[in-house]
Amino acid sequence: GAGVSQSPSNKVTEKGKDVELRCDPISGHTALYWYRQSLGQGLEFLIYFQGNSAPDKSGLPSDRFSAERTGGSVSTLTIQRTQQEDSAVYLCASSSPGRAGEKLFFGSGTQLSVL
Amino acid sequence: EDQVTQSPEALRLQEGESSSLNCSYTVSGLRGLFWYRQDPGKGPEFLFTLYSAGEEKEKERLKATLTKKESFLHITAPKPEDSATYLCAVQPPTYKYIFGTGTRLKVLA
Repeated sequence: GAGVSQSPSNKVTEKGKDVELRCDPISGHTALYWYRQSLGQGLEFLIYFQGNSAPDKSGLPSDRFSAERTGGSVSTLTIQRTQQEDSAVYLCASSSPGRAGEKLFFGSGTQLSVL
Repeated sequence: EDQVTQSPEALRLQEGESSSLNCSYTVSGLRGLFWYRQDPGKGPEFLFTLYSAGEEKEKERLKATLTKKESFLHITAPKPEDSATYLCAVQPPTYKYIFGTGTRLKVLA
């Protein structure tokens, strides 16, 4: 596709349920990021994938969060046993790193609401 | 600790009233400083990358400048369609881009 695609655009779930968020990056982009944006907060780094290397999971807030990237392309962020504090916009971005200062291309995000 | 602080948090301007947004940063080895625009319900959209102090870039009514400690986004004669949240981000010598909390700009007709 022409840009980064995320689905669903909105997700309402009940506390304790599991959710899966999907990201389809720009074709050919080897780097993929997940960020979380809460109201009034900056973008919070969650996880980074680069090619076939082991992902950097250092930003995941708890072991309820996990992510995978299949075939170096599509990524899924899974949140188990959701809590109300998980409510936020989850943004995916991709880039084609190769030099310093490579810009990120963002999807429109998934607005997650945990009731 | 690498950090980005943006000010003001919110700004209301009359159409045509020029102003500047500030991004102060602390980073160990800047690889790039980025400005993004974010409209409601959408992801951030890239505007500029600046690499070294003294660098300037322009696009329509926007001009970004960079010093060793801060960056400014100057908006000249803004129009209502410039209303958005403007985000600043830095890239340290890793791949973890660090974002500020943004400036919400509202331009009144």
